Amino acid sequence: SQTIHQWPATLVQPVGSPLSLECTVEGTSNPNLYWYRQAAGRGLQLLFYSVGIGQISSEVPQNLSASRPQDRQFILSSKKLLLSDSGFYLCAWTDGPSTNEKLFFGSGTQLSVL
Amino acid sequence: SQQGEEDPQALSIQEGENATMNCSYKTSINNLQWYRQNSGRGLVHLILIRSNEREKHSGRLRVTLDTSKKSSSLLITASRAADTASYFCATDAPNDYKLSFGAGTTVTVRA
Repeated sequence: SQTIHQWPATLVQPVGSPLSLECTVEGTSNPNLYWYRQAAGRGLQLLFYSVGIGQISSEVPQNLSASRPQDRQFILSSKKLLLSDSGFYLCAWTDGPSTNEKLFFGSGTQLSVL
Repeated sequence: SQQGEEDPQALSIQEGENATMNCSYKTSINNLQWYRQNSGRGLVHLILIRSNEREKHSGRLRVTLDTSKKSSSLLITASRAADTASYFCATDAPNDYKLSFGAGTTVTVRA
């Protein structure tokens, strides 16, 4: 069966520090992968999505970047965190390559930038 | 930008009552999906309705879709305390891999 792993669950980082959040999917191949951010009490904002290795689409100009070094690995990074980067980050996947039906979400990372 | 918008923002009901929430969207869609999120957790897919469907059921969930009004509703019948969560609609556009989520409806079911 397919599973998605996202870590860490919580993270407290100082302003200006780097960030690396990792997401891996098991039990499927060539998934579509997504990074979303959710502000407290708000909906989800799509940050990045990927339909294949090395293929990254950015939705919102910002301080973050994403990479997909392997088929089932999706990494969210920042060189220097801002206060506004705080939020709940969610990784998700769908059966690729041509569908966005039924996203499966990870358990999320609560990032606090202080 | 967010395409779907849920209404109401928050809903408080007694256990056993029905809960209804609505979602409106702006552009044509392939499908509309509803997700549930427990506090501090990831989202869980509940149900998908395609643009050529008008109503769909799954257990205690009933979803309707009116493409002429660009709106959908989610009905939870005979609510339970465990239904307490935030509910989000998500829409896509033809030939698009992305889903746009609304801000959600927070449902509280009182025992």
